[in-house]
Amino acid sequence: AQSVTQPDIHITVSEGASLELRCNYSYGATPYLFWYVQSPGQGLQLLLKYFSGDTLVQGIKGFEAEFKRSQSSFNLRKPSVHWSDAAEYFCAVDPSKGDMRFGAGTRLTVKP
Amino acid sequence: GAVVSQHPSWVICKSGTSVKIECRSLDFQATTMFWYRQFPKQSLMLMATSNEGSKATYEQGVEKDKFLINHASLTLSTLTVTSAHPEDSSFYICSAPWIGNYEQYFGPGTRLTVT
Repeated sequence: AQSVTQPDIHITVSEGASLELRCNYSYGATPYLFWYVQSPGQGLQLLLKYFSGDTLVQGIKGFEAEFKRSQSSFNLRKPSVHWSDAAEYFCAVDPSKGDMRFGAGTRLTVKP
Repeated sequence: GAVVSQHPSWVICKSGTSVKIECRSLDFQATTMFWYRQFPKQSLMLMATSNEGSKATYEQGVEKDKFLINHASLTLSTLTVTSAHPEDSSFYICSAPWIGNYEQYFGPGTRLTVT
């Protein structure tokens, strides 16, 4: 079945530590891939996207993600987390139909 | 960048009444818009695709007679929750794709509380 999986429901990291949020997808062809962040009471903000080309994608706020076709993964990374990064992170795919399918989300807590 | 607005941002209605939520693309035209529902601490679930000039297409399990969608113009889609029940209480989010960069732009969401 087609799906987007974010295996980690909740992650806690210390401020200044590195971060990796996992995302796996299950679609026949490589869909368009996205990472969004949602702060409490806020709308979705696009962090980065992958359509084709270079598999390492740079986004806003110091985030990057790497597309690995062999693993059907699109993991989000940040070398040094700031307290303001605490939020809910969603991986999403667009299987070329124009509609988004979202993962369950990963809630990030940042310890001081 | 492209902006999508929603109105109202928060609405409380009584059980059995209907409530309309508007989604507008402010600086671009959108022949297609999408409606999502997000329950507390859960992910976004696609409800339906709103198509300008034609009927909306609904995801499996979404009642089309309960969630009426009208794509009145190239910048406006409305979602009407009819005969609302407390279990319809949720966060409703719309999005519109901008062909220029093939990105989806999301509205800020509408929180519906049915009492």
